[in-house]
Amino acid sequence: DGGITQSPKYLFRKEGQNVTLSCEQNLNHDAMYWYRQDPGQGLRLIYYSQIVNDFQKGDIAEGYSVSREKKESFPLTVTSAQKNPTAFYLCASSISYRTYEQYFGPGTRLTVT
Amino acid sequence: AQTVTQSQPEMSVQEAETVTLSCTYDTSESDYYLFWYKQPPSRQMILVIRQEAYKQQNATENRFSVNFQKAAKSFSLKISDSQLGDAAMYFCAYKMPTSGTYKYIFGTGTRLKVLA
Repeated sequence: DGGITQSPKYLFRKEGQNVTLSCEQNLNHDAMYWYRQDPGQGLRLIYYSQIVNDFQKGDIAEGYSVSREKKESFPLTVTSAQKNPTAFYLCASSISYRTYEQYFGPGTRLTVT
Repeated sequence: AQTVTQSQPEMSVQEAETVTLSCTYDTSESDYYLFWYKQPPSRQMILVIRQEAYKQQNATENRFSVNFQKAAKSFSLKISDSQLGDAAMYFCAYKMPTSGTYKYIFGTGTRLKVLA
């Protein structure tokens, strides 16, 4: 089955530790995205990648980093510099950054204490 | 800057009845896309319906239809014959199709409860 996988579903970390969220897709999509979702708010874009070895900051990139070494993979690292990292994180992909439809993964709930 | 507003944090509907979720947006562009996404308790985002701004005809997908009023910048979602499985958060979203505009702009969502 084609789709997007995010692992793990729930992740717990201590404050001050970096943590990496996984996102893999087998849809052969060029573009991939990371969103953050907080209660009472819509999705906010953290980073996006239009193509392998390229990525751009979104609206709330501070305290996050990404890499795009393979077409299928777009991991997100939440660094200790992120002041409020506890949130639900969604990964998405689209055929290209110009196409209108994004496909979403199941998300990862990160809790930092 | 483009914005998307969903003024109804929560709505309820009786099973088999019809409900309309509201969405307004602000843009100076003439060409764009509008979407409704559903997020059930599993939290997986699912595309419900999309509308291209250049199309005058309202989009429909089975029990889901939109009322797109371009001049009023309004994009409401109508769910007919509501089912228990329709209970979810619904997000309205906007996207420009031109190059260099990479992102969706999401509203804050409306939680739909379906009463048996």
